[in-house]
Amino acid sequence: DQQVKQNSPSLSVQEGRISILNCDYTNSMFDYFLWYKKYPAEGPTFLISISSIKDKNEDGRFTVFLNKSAKHLSLHIVPSQPGDSAVYFCAASDSNSGYALNFGKGTSLLVTP
Amino acid sequence: EAGVTQFPSHSVIEKGQTVTLRCDPISGHDNLYWYRRVMGKEIKFLLHFVKESKQDESGMPNNRFLAERTGGTYSTLKVQPAELEDSGVYFCASSQDPGTHSYNEQFFGPGTRLTVL
Repeated sequence: DQQVKQNSPSLSVQEGRISILNCDYTNSMFDYFLWYKKYPAEGPTFLISISSIKDKNEDGRFTVFLNKSAKHLSLHIVPSQPGDSAVYFCAASDSNSGYALNFGKGTSLLVTP
Repeated sequence: EAGVTQFPSHSVIEKGQTVTLRCDPISGHDNLYWYRRVMGKEIKFLLHFVKESKQDESGMPNNRFLAERTGGTYSTLKVQPAELEDSGVYFCASSQDPGTHSYNEQFFGPGTRLTVL
């Protein structure tokens, strides 16, 4: 039933290196994808998004790549910083059937000095 | 500009009791959403308001849950009677009209942690 999957519950990366977070989806009707970042006791904070008509979107240190044929997207953070340590959620929506976001379970990123 | 606010931040109630959660969206945001995260699971959509109208309530688990948004401003989510499996974090989010923007960026509140004993 879960349409968005983040198969890595956790990831540890050294400061300055690249962090790559992955996300897979099953619903081919999804046309908008978002990444959210979440700190403990806070709500998810929007990070970056991508429309299905694109395959890449970049914003500063954050880049999202979309591979529609593989139903896969990834978030690249480079260079990683200790303040990036948080849980990252991938989300997807199908604008033709509403604006509900379908979330993955999240990946906990730890950036070590 | 104030973000999405939710009240209370925590609520501990006994099974069978009633709890009402409140969400104040960002001013000017017509779209308001409720989500829930049960321990160990993903954040799941509950429902979507456009102003005071329920646009999509396909995620509401059962009729013990009642959401309202009178006047199209703040929203309440009432659980009556609460059951053990209702425990979790309830998030509210708001967004501007997706039709005027290129994406549906939803801004989330800090959540209400509900514990049913």
